Amino acid sequence: EVRLLESGGNLVQPGGSLRLSCAASGFGFSTYAMSWVRQAPGKGLEWVAVIDVSGRYTFYADSVKGRFTISRDNSRNSLFLQMNSLTAEDTAVYYCAALYNGGRNPDYWGQGTLVIVSS
Amino acid sequence: QFLLTQPPSASASLGASVKLTCTLSSGHSTYGIAWHQHQPEKGPRFLMKVNTDGSHIKGDGIPDRFSGSISGAESYLTISSLQSEDEADYYCQTWGPGIRVFGGGTKLTVL
Repeated sequence: EVRLLESGGNLVQPGGSLRLSCAASGFGFSTYAMSWVRQAPGKGLEWVAVIDVSGRYTFYADSVKGRFTISRDNSRNSLFLQMNSLTAEDTAVYYCAALYNGGRNPDYWGQGTLVIVSS
Repeated sequence: QFLLTQPPSASASLGASVKLTCTLSSGHSTYGIAWHQHQPEKGPRFLMKVNTDGSHIKGDGIPDRFSGSISGAESYLTISSLQSEDEADYYCQTWGPGIRVFGGGTKLTVL
């Protein structure tokens, strides 16, 4: 059974930092580029960042570029998102997602972790 | 930067069929489209990928009632024999090196 289990969501003050983690199991984690996707209240899904299978290459949505850092540890089947300089606009449920870079493999989603940025 | 456009809402009766659309922005191309279902208070669920070469792959346990197709810039998700549990938000999504793009989502109401 595939599992993606996020953790680390919390209430944080504007300007603060938070680190999200995602523990993966049940599929070839090291063969998938991994993403973080978020959903702000009342909004749709927004792709945040992706990291390639090696961890060497990372890409970000313009809305988080320079503030967020995605990383992975293939030895621990884990994905991370370091979030700095948080603003109210970053309030969202954050999902860990294995969105394969291609059409021959399925995608997988986690259940999400809630980040609230508020004073 | 390419965009995927979806109608914000759709509705159909219990037992009927519905066809949801996803339009790729002009001048862009893609290898395929993924569809995801998102119900309230749950994580999104991968439904399927439909590739421009006609191949497709479905998520685990996705019933045959769900099917997809691509025609040019338009992609379609068809749900037949609608059930109450199909009421959800549906997102199309595509991929490329270093990017993933989501449509705005269609909220499906089952009447």
